[in-house]
Amino acid sequence: KNEVEQSPQNLTAQEGEFITINCSYSVGISALHWLQQHPGGGIVSLFMLSSGKKKHGRLIATINIQEKHSSLHITASHPRDSAVYICAVRSRNTDKLIFGTGTRLQVFP
Amino acid sequence: NAGVMQNPRHLVRRRGQEARLRCSPMKGHSHVYWYRQLPEEGLKFMVYLQKENIIDESGMPKERFSAEFPKEGPSILRIQQVVRGDSAAYFCASSPLFLTDTQYFGPGTRLTVL
Repeated sequence: KNEVEQSPQNLTAQEGEFITINCSYSVGISALHWLQQHPGGGIVSLFMLSSGKKKHGRLIATINIQEKHSSLHITASHPRDSAVYICAVRSRNTDKLIFGTGTRLQVFP
Repeated sequence: NAGVMQNPRHLVRRRGQEARLRCSPMKGHSHVYWYRQLPEEGLKFMVYLQKENIIDESGMPKERFSAEFPKEGPSILRIQQVVRGDSAAYFCASSPLFLTDTQYFGPGTRLTVL
C-alpha cells in the first residue's frame, strides 16, 4: 500500500463544475504539498499546508491532521485547469517528500 | 528572478553511455533535491544536497548514479552506463535556507535510453 493515496486517479469535468481531489496518507507529516503538473511536464507548487485551509484564487486546499486527509478543491473549473494534480507529504521522520501518483484532471468546455 | 533551470530538457543516450543532467537552483537557494518520475509512476526522491555536501542520498540507486552540488555552478546528476530502465523524467527542485520551505521545481529533463 502506498504511503500517499490519491483519489480519483482520473477525473473529467465540464467547464464551471466544482472539483474535489482527495489525498490520504499513512505517515506522520510535517507538511503537505499540492502540486500541478501540466501536459508539458513542468511542476508548479500550488500549496504547502500544515493545518487548516488555504485559498488562492479558485483553488482551495484543506487538511485534517487527525484524519490524515487533505482535499484540493477547484471552483468554477476551466479547461486550462486540465493537468495532473499531485499530493506530496513531508515525512516527519525523514524530512523527505513522499508523492502520490497524481490525479489526472480534464476539463472540457 | 529566474526559476529553477534544468538542462538539457531532453536527452537521448544509447545503452552504456553516460548521462549528465544539470540543475541551477533559484537565486539565493542553497538546497537542491533530485526526483525521478518513471513512466506512469509518481515522483520518487533521489538525493538532497546543499552546497558541496550530500545530505541525504537514500533514494539513489547504489550503482551508476551520483550527484554533486559544487561551490560554483549547477548541481549535476550523473548516470553512468545507462540502461533502458533509466528512461524517465528527472526533476530538480530548490528551496531557500530552511528545509521546510516550499520547493520550487524545474521543468525536468526527459532521459530516453535507446
